[in-house]
Amino acid sequence: QKEVEQDPGPLSVPEGAIVSLNCTYSNSAFQYFMWYRQYSRKGPELLMYTYSSGNKEDGRFTAQVDKSSKYISLFIRDSQPSDSATYLCAMSKRGSGGGADGLTFGKGTHLIIQP
Amino acid sequence: GAGVSQSPSNKVTEKGKDVELRCDPISGHTALYWYRQSLGQGLEFLIYFQGNSAPDKSGLPSDRFSAERTGGSVSTLTIQRTQQEDSAVYLCASGGPRTDTQYFGPGTRLTVL
Repeated sequence: QKEVEQDPGPLSVPEGAIVSLNCTYSNSAFQYFMWYRQYSRKGPELLMYTYSSGNKEDGRFTAQVDKSSKYISLFIRDSQPSDSATYLCAMSKRGSGGGADGLTFGKGTHLIIQP
Repeated sequence: GAGVSQSPSNKVTEKGKDVELRCDPISGHTALYWYRQSLGQGLEFLIYFQGNSAPDKSGLPSDRFSAERTGGSVSTLTIQRTQQEDSAVYLCASGGPRTDTQYFGPGTRLTVL
């Protein structure tokens, strides 16, 4: 079993829909949880960062962490075609950078927003 | 520069050849990370540099891989005697000192024929 599981998709939804992306993990030592967005042939860019359990909202994006279930989610409201990308969850024991352990990533979910 | 830069953007090499991949971090960033992104495998952490400190090399996939960081800035990832399974996108990220967040470069796409 990999430390972080993420459905690779593709996930295809119509424009304006609410998108739900999620990851599960097995290592209870993870304390820092991130969502990255990666466009084709580009490097990942940080979208959301959450420490420990709880919710965090930034514009159309909401990140949720449930440490008791080892489950994290990213919600995108009013989805736009420009949101079409691969979304990667990442987590670490040592801060949002991961330190000497780096970040542990899911494989990414390919999201397609249909105009 | 405005962001992390990597060169070359694409590299095609023959099996058995050595390759060098370069990363220029964001100016002032003390932390530097290398990752490998293979098709269907996600991002795999390779190595971390903090300033001029010696890195922990245990994450490197084999002894054919080595990395160095000169003057606490530019980093080079070297793969000796490349194999076809080394084909991947190699990503570099930098961060700190005021933020722990990693900022990624565009990557080097390595193809070993």
